[in-house]
Amino acid sequence: SQTIHQWPATLVQPVGSPLSLECTVEGTSNPNLYWYRQAAGRGLQLLFYSVGIGQISSEVPQNLSASRPQDRQFILSSKKLLLSDSGFYLCAWSAGGTYGYTFGSGTRLTVV
Amino acid sequence: ILNVEQSPQSLHVQEGDSTNFTCSFPSSNFYALHWYRWETAKSPEALFVMTLNGDEKKKGRISATLNTKEGYSYLYIKGSQPEDSATYLCASANQAGTALIFGKGTTLSVSS
Repeated sequence: SQTIHQWPATLVQPVGSPLSLECTVEGTSNPNLYWYRQAAGRGLQLLFYSVGIGQISSEVPQNLSASRPQDRQFILSSKKLLLSDSGFYLCAWSAGGTYGYTFGSGTRLTVV
Repeated sequence: ILNVEQSPQSLHVQEGDSTNFTCSFPSSNFYALHWYRWETAKSPEALFVMTLNGDEKKKGRISATLNTKEGYSYLYIKGSQPEDSATYLCASANQAGTALIFGKGTTLSVSS
């Protein structure tokens, strides 16, 4: 069966520090991978998605970047965090087409 | 930019009440409409994926309908139970069908 792992669960980082959140999927190959963020009082915002290794699409301009170094690994990064980067980050995978998404357990990021 | 709207933002009902929520989305270039349930301290879980106009899906006491021509979907819960308390998200796929754009959700609270 397919599983998705996301870590860490919580993170408190100072402004200006770097960020690296990792997401891995097991039990499937060539998944579509996604990063979403929920900021306080807002809905789920699509940040990045990837349909293959090295293929990254960004939905909104921001202080973040994403990479997919391996088929089942998706990394969200920042060189210098801003206060506005605080939020709940969710990774998800899908088989594509009209298949539903399976979400990871999420990372609560607080930038102080 | 794809815009998905949900109403109401929140809803409080008594155990046994039936309720429904609305999701509206652009009807042009429609690809698929998803419904998810997001319980506190958990990850969003897929409820339904709908693609055809007039589609109706059912899972236990929860059902959903889809009107792609006018761009709306309804989620119905019959005989609400306290365990139905959650945020219900709908999402529409982008034109390429490669990523979901979520609404802000409807938060349901069911009192016993």
